[in-house]
Amino acid sequence: SQQGEEDPQALSIQEGENATMNCSYKTSINNLQWYRQNSGRGLVHLILIRSNEREKHSGRLRVTLDTSKKSSSLLITASRAADTASYFCATDARNQGGKLIFGQGTELSVKP
Amino acid sequence: KAGVTQTPRYLIKTRGQQVTLSCSPISGHRSVSWYQQTPGQGLQFLFEYFSETQRNKGNFPGRFSGRQFSNSRSEMNVSTLELGDSALYLCASTLNEKLFFGSGTQLSVL
Repeated sequence: SQQGEEDPQALSIQEGENATMNCSYKTSINNLQWYRQNSGRGLVHLILIRSNEREKHSGRLRVTLDTSKKSSSLLITASRAADTASYFCATDARNQGGKLIFGQGTELSVKP
Repeated sequence: KAGVTQTPRYLIKTRGQQVTLSCSPISGHRSVSWYQQTPGQGLQFLFEYFSETQRNKGNFPGRFSGRQFSNSRSEMNVSTLELGDSALYLCASTLNEKLFFGSGTQLSVL
């Protein structure tokens, strides 16, 4: 069963705008990760945030984690057409023996 | 360093046949995980191998099996293929809790 649920399923914005994607999960986690996938290709790791961290930055990416609400968000600032991809959250849940369970993903379209 | 290599890239099979997919992890990575990706179910965890031992297993029928060799290369096998096995099969190697994915094998079952 899916551990992470992402919202929205699809998001369409203009270049230069910010994009925010949300992820909710069900059980306690060790860490939460975000990945990106271009159509039909493998996923690329973006950022990892541990359960004792609240916010993390990497370039134009900002990830927040609220363990009390069991939710995370990924913000991409000043989006570019090249950011067009699907974005997935993945949780390393404490009761999952270390395997990463992925959400259904958010499909982001950035129009030039 | 070379990335994760999966072969073949595309595969077409018919129902009832079996298939073997191959994955070479990044040099030095000892853990390999396999995922099935379909439009309806998303990314589903199949299994994980570490030092030739299966460490984790997902909720797939026994038709799905895998193994890992002493050089960390991994194979997965699907026997008695069904139409619903059509999917992108992704392999990933792990370092410092992060997954590094290959480009996948697109399997079509006719």
